[in-house]
Amino acid sequence: AQSVTQPDIHITVSEGASLELRCNYSYGATPYLFWYVQSPGQGLQLLLKYFSGDTLVQGIKGFEAEFKRSQSSFNLRKPSVHWSDAAEYFCAVVTNDYKLSFGAGTTVTVRA
Amino acid sequence: GAVVSQHPSWVICKSGTSVKIECRSLDFQATTMFWYRQFPKQSLMLMATSNEGSKATYEQGVEKDKFLINHASLTLSTLTVTSAHPEDSSFYICSASAGSEDTQYFGPGTRLTVL
Repeated sequence: AQSVTQPDIHITVSEGASLELRCNYSYGATPYLFWYVQSPGQGLQLLLKYFSGDTLVQGIKGFEAEFKRSQSSFNLRKPSVHWSDAAEYFCAVVTNDYKLSFGAGTTVTVRA
Repeated sequence: GAVVSQHPSWVICKSGTSVKIECRSLDFQATTMFWYRQFPKQSLMLMATSNEGSKATYEQGVEKDKFLINHASLTLSTLTVTSAHPEDSSFYICSASAGSEDTQYFGPGTRLTVL
């Protein structure tokens, strides 16, 4: 079954520092991959998605992600983190029956 | 574009009552809507998938008679928690998809507290 793994439960980063969140997927064909962000008590906001084409995907809020088939990864990056980036981040893959399979999430804390 | 709303954003009810949550796609037609449940500090758990005009498909372990889903139009789906009990207290999130590209757009969620 298609699935994603987010190895990092919690990451703390200083404001202005770079951020990288890891996501590994399990899927036989070319996956449809997503990164969503969730602020406390809120729904999920789509940051970016990968369906095909250029493996480096640009998203909103200065985020980007790179699809690496050889590593089955779709890591999310941001060069310089802002305090407002503190949130929960979810990686997800579309399954064969068009449902989203989510990772467990990574909590990002930004320190001043 | 791709805005999904939910109403209410939070609700408190007494045990035994029923609660209806609405999910609307505001600027696109959603052929498919999804209902998720999220426990504190956990990921989203898919409860059911609904396609406009047809019966919802429930995930294993989700009681369809407990969680009634209606998707009567291309912009509205409702989730009714029937005879709610304290264990039904949770954060319920809907998402909507136009179907053609599989991207799901999420609503802001509804916090249900059953006393």
